[in-house]
Amino acid sequence: AQRVTQPEKLLSVFKGAPVELKCNYSYSGSPELFWYVQYSRQRLQLLLRHISRESIKGFTADLNKGETSFHLKKPFAQEEDSAMYYCALRFKAAGNKLTFGGGTRVLVKP
Amino acid sequence: KAGVTQTPRYLIKTRGQQVTLSCSPISGHRSVSWYQQTPGQGLQFLFEYFSETQRNKGNFPGRFSGRQFSNSRSEMNVSTLELGDSALYLCASSESGAGNTIYFGEGSWLTVV
Repeated sequence: AQRVTQPEKLLSVFKGAPVELKCNYSYSGSPELFWYVQYSRQRLQLLLRHISRESIKGFTADLNKGETSFHLKKPFAQEEDSAMYYCALRFKAAGNKLTFGGGTRVLVKP
Repeated sequence: KAGVTQTPRYLIKTRGQQVTLSCSPISGHRSVSWYQQTPGQGLQFLFEYFSETQRNKGNFPGRFSGRQFSNSRSEMNVSTLELGDSALYLCASSESGAGNTIYFGEGSWLTVV
C-alpha cells in the first residue's frame, strides 16, 4: 500500500534561514506528489505539485524517484511561512484519493 | 467562483447519535472526496464520489457513509457516534480528468460527548 512519511513533526527556523521539509513515499508506480499548506485558521490549500515544476512563494520541490522523496525547500524563510505543511500522493488508479503524510509544523521566528 | 462550502461548521453530538454533514463543491466539479482530520491520525481518506457513484473508499467502518446528488453536492453520514469520531471532517472537490487540482473546504468540526 502507498505511504507518505514526513519525519519531522516540527521545524523551527529563524527568519531568513533556509528551510527544508522532508517527504518520503512508498509506492511502486508513478504517483503524483503534492505539497499542501494550512495556515492558521485557513483551509488546506495546494502549494506545489511535482508535475508543475514551478516555484510558489519561493518554495520548490523536486521529485527524486530513486530516493522516493519529494522534499520542500525555501532558501530564505519568512514569518508568514509559519504553517502546517502536508505532503500528499495520488496515483491514477485511485481517482482523486490523496494519501497524506503526518504533516510538519513550521515555525519561523523573527 | 465560490470555494468548497461545508455545513455545518461546528456541531456537538452525543454518543450513539448520528450526524449528517453537507458539502457543496466548486461549480463544475464532479468529484467530491471526504477526509477525517485528527491530531492522532492526521488526514485520512474516507471516500470519493464521482457522478453520484462511490469511486473510492478508505478504511473506515460501515458507520461512515456518503452519497452524492445529481448537482454534485455531497453528504456524509456517521451513525452510532463514538467519542473517537470527534474530528475535523474535510470535503474536497475537483474536476474530472488527470492532473486536476483538488480544492478543500474549511471543514466541519464534530465533537462527540
